[in-house]
Amino acid sequence: DAGVIQSPRHEVTEMGQEVTLRCKPISGHDYLFWYRQTMMRGLELLIYFNNNVPIDDSGMPEDRFSAKMPNASFSTLKIQPSEPRDSAVYFCASSPTSGGARETQYFGPGTRLLVL
Amino acid sequence: GQNIDQPTEMTATEGAIVQINCTYQTSGFNGLFWYQQHAGEAPTFLSYNVLDGLEEKGRFSSFLSRSKGYSYLLLKELQMKDSASYLCAAALNDYKLSFGAGTTVTVRA
Repeated sequence: DAGVIQSPRHEVTEMGQEVTLRCKPISGHDYLFWYRQTMMRGLELLIYFNNNVPIDDSGMPEDRFSAKMPNASFSTLKIQPSEPRDSAVYFCASSPTSGGARETQYFGPGTRLLVL
Repeated sequence: GQNIDQPTEMTATEGAIVQINCTYQTSGFNGLFWYQQHAGEAPTFLSYNVLDGLEEKGRFSSFLSRSKGYSYLLLKELQMKDSASYLCAAALNDYKLSFGAGTTVTVRA
């Protein structure tokens, strides 16, 4: 299996621009998670999906952030408009359903976002 | 809220043993994960404990005490490649993981 795939791997943009991050989960995994990692706040869960349906978006920092999962093999995280404080590494992770909350989450390589 | 505490940094010598402690206070608990993250890379799974006791996996072992809200990761026969950040994460009742800030382990020759 190719593992979780994320694109782009690096993104540099200017404040106010729209940023779209993409994720392809491991085939057969029903759960998809979006995380943000910074030195100050560590690894934070932003939102997660089950069978393409958003279950918990309480970690989304504000309305500038939105996430979608139109099908089982694709998800996007969009920031509009972007701000310098959004600079971070954004990880996507997926896990199967069978073990419930005990299932291991498999992380993608991350997208390093820099907003100037 | 969730509270996961672990030391920020640890340094050890190649071939030595290092123990990384993690304490947690969470609303809901379904076990304790440890992930390894090398600089610039994604976190990768190391271990999972749901019952009290020690789980051994090669050079790495993980311990859990649910009554004390405490876990540790033991790294034996340290190698240079073990230099990384180690993340403690509590599995909550709703498929979410709550991560600690991570412990950066530096292995010196």
